[in-house]
Amino acid sequence: AQSVSQHNHHVILSEAASLELGCNYSYGGTVNLFWYVQYPGQHLQLLLKYFSGDPLVKGIKGFEAEFIKSKFSFNLRKPSVQWSDTAEYFCAVNRILTGGGNKLTFGTGTQLKVEL
Amino acid sequence: DSGVTQTPKHLITATGQRVTLRCSPRSGDLSVYWYQQSLDQGLQFLIQYYNGEERAKGNILERFSAQQFPDLHSELNLSSLELGDSALYFCASSVSRDWGNEQFFGPGTRLTVL
Repeated sequence: AQSVSQHNHHVILSEAASLELGCNYSYGGTVNLFWYVQYPGQHLQLLLKYFSGDPLVKGIKGFEAEFIKSKFSFNLRKPSVQWSDTAEYFCAVNRILTGGGNKLTFGTGTQLKVEL
Repeated sequence: DSGVTQTPKHLITATGQRVTLRCSPRSGDLSVYWYQQSLDQGLQFLIQYYNGEERAKGNILERFSAQQFPDLHSELNLSSLELGDSALYFCASSVSRDWGNEQFFGPGTRLTVL
């Protein structure tokens, strides 16, 4: 089945450590890719997105992601995490549907805890 | 604040009941999407409306229905509620019906079915 996979369900890091969260998708054809973050008790916020062009995209709060088409991957990175990055991170794929609509398909999410 | 509003924030009801969740999209956005977030199913797409018309359907149960009104707000109706319907229901909006636009999410409605 077509899906979005996030390999790490729970990640615990110390402040200033580097972060990489994996995301793979199994859809063929053209897709748009997103990373969303959900802070405790809050709604989903967009971190970054890839539509086309440079496969290395930069988002808010120092996050970046690299789209590797041959690997169907869109991994999220941050060189140095902060305590305030503690949140759940979701990778999502958008693709056009028969009939012209579209939908986001989300991965299962990664809970990141950053310790002081 | 994404500009997408949802009411109510919390809803507690009993099995067998019917509830209505409301969403107002960002100003200028014509597409509205509904998602369900639960512990066992994760974040799942339910349905998309564009300018009053249904555009795409996902894993939406027959007991659930939605509509988008002329003022572009949307309502998600959940009926014959079961314990398993307890979840966080998010609404999102985007400018157009096309897949090339990002979706902005509202704060969600937490539904608890007792």
